[in-house]
Amino acid sequence: NAGVMQNPRHLVRRRGQEARLRCSPMKGHSHVYWYRQLPEEGLKFMVYLQKENIIDESGMPKERFSAEFPKEGPSILRIQQVVRGDSAAYFCASSPSGGVATEAFFGQGTRLTVV
Amino acid sequence: GENVEQHPSTLSVQEGDSAVIKCTYSDSASNYFPWYKQELGKGPQLIIDIRSNVGEKKDQRIAVTLNKTAKHFSLHITETQPEDSAVYFCAAGDNFNKFYFGSGTKLNVKP
Repeated sequence: NAGVMQNPRHLVRRRGQEARLRCSPMKGHSHVYWYRQLPEEGLKFMVYLQKENIIDESGMPKERFSAEFPKEGPSILRIQQVVRGDSAAYFCASSPSGGVATEAFFGQGTRLTVV
Repeated sequence: GENVEQHPSTLSVQEGDSAVIKCTYSDSASNYFPWYKQELGKGPQLIIDIRSNVGEKKDQRIAVTLNKTAKHFSLHITETQPEDSAVYFCAAGDNFNKFYFGSGTKLNVKP
């Protein structure tokens, strides 16, 4: 059973470009969470999604950031017009269910560098 | 919102000694407390967790304790080994699996 798969592992973008980060949850998991980690810091919650629904996006910046989890395919975190402050590691986690706290398993992350 | 504080930020122990990391949380609605180990360049790996209806949980050399009244929980690693060296994060979560993470503890186990 493959774990949470994220790609790409490393992504370099110039200021003003778009970044697309992908996350395939573990098999059987229908809940996906995105977190951002700045260097030497803990992870900060961004968004929680189920298939075709955004459940909680309270941690997402209001502008330039969006996330989706379509019926088919991976979850996508999209950052438009990237700025240097977007440079961070972005982690995706998945869990089998919601409504009760359960184990969440993390992917290896995508390290975004904005130059 | 929830606020999780973690101490110490760095911890250096001799191989074979015990290591203790402490966290406090602020929101009494939090009911799930996982601990993650993160090695350089990798994602967080769940090592142990505890729910609010349990006071203590042990898994081989790792144990976690929870004091709901005081809103604090701790990770205990006994007989530390060099491969335990990593950054450890505590987190507090609610029924929606929205986790609030501590700032991390860098553990260094000296051989």
